[in-house]
Amino acid sequence: DQQVKQNSPSLSVQEGRISILNCDYTNSMFDYFLWYKKYPAEGPTFLISISSIKDKNEDGRFTVFLNKSAKHLSLHIVPSQPGDSAVYFCAAWDSGAGSYQLTFGKGTKLSVIP
Amino acid sequence: EAGVAQSPRYKIIEKRQSVAFWCNPISGHATLYWYQQILGQGPKLLIQFQNNGVVDDSQLPKDRFSAERLKGVDSTLKIQPAKLEDSAVYLCASSLVFSIHEQYFGPGTRLTVT
Repeated sequence: DQQVKQNSPSLSVQEGRISILNCDYTNSMFDYFLWYKKYPAEGPTFLISISSIKDKNEDGRFTVFLNKSAKHLSLHIVPSQPGDSAVYFCAAWDSGAGSYQLTFGKGTKLSVIP
Repeated sequence: EAGVAQSPRYKIIEKRQSVAFWCNPISGHATLYWYQQILGQGPKLLIQFQNNGVVDDSQLPKDRFSAERLKGVDSTLKIQPAKLEDSAVYLCASSLVFSIHEQYFGPGTRLTVT
């Protein structure tokens, strides 16, 4: 049973426009949600996170929104740049019962078209 | 600051052979993780170390996989004997302590079992 779901395997966006990547989760006990970015042949790189007690976190061109009632979060990239083309993973952090684990979604491949 | 180092980057073996992967975490990071990422999936945690002790190995297939972190710094993950379904990228990650959600990943080792 997937606890973190990214239902869109891929997304194409024109350069300069907004990219919106979505993520749903099932476990209401997750404490933090993170987004990682992965280029081919490299490991995932931490991008931005949000605590479960907040609904928005912003860092430059990247903003993450959290809707706890819907168990949904999204990553907004504005404006999108060709260098943003990568696979984006949504991950959720669970510190309940001392587990301290990250659970990842399957990823969404973003292509930013010049 | 040097990142997480992994070797080898690529490995091709035949089924039933054995293989070992090496990871050196970021200096000063007490927690080390091994993940398995199968093509089209997100990383899945195999084992988590805090210094030289195992915190969680519940998802490690212990009949064929083993891992150690003897001196609390670098770590080795071994598969013996390998199966076709072990073909994946093996990612190592580290964090300052186990209770911090931000993890830093190495470039991974791509294993192909034929």
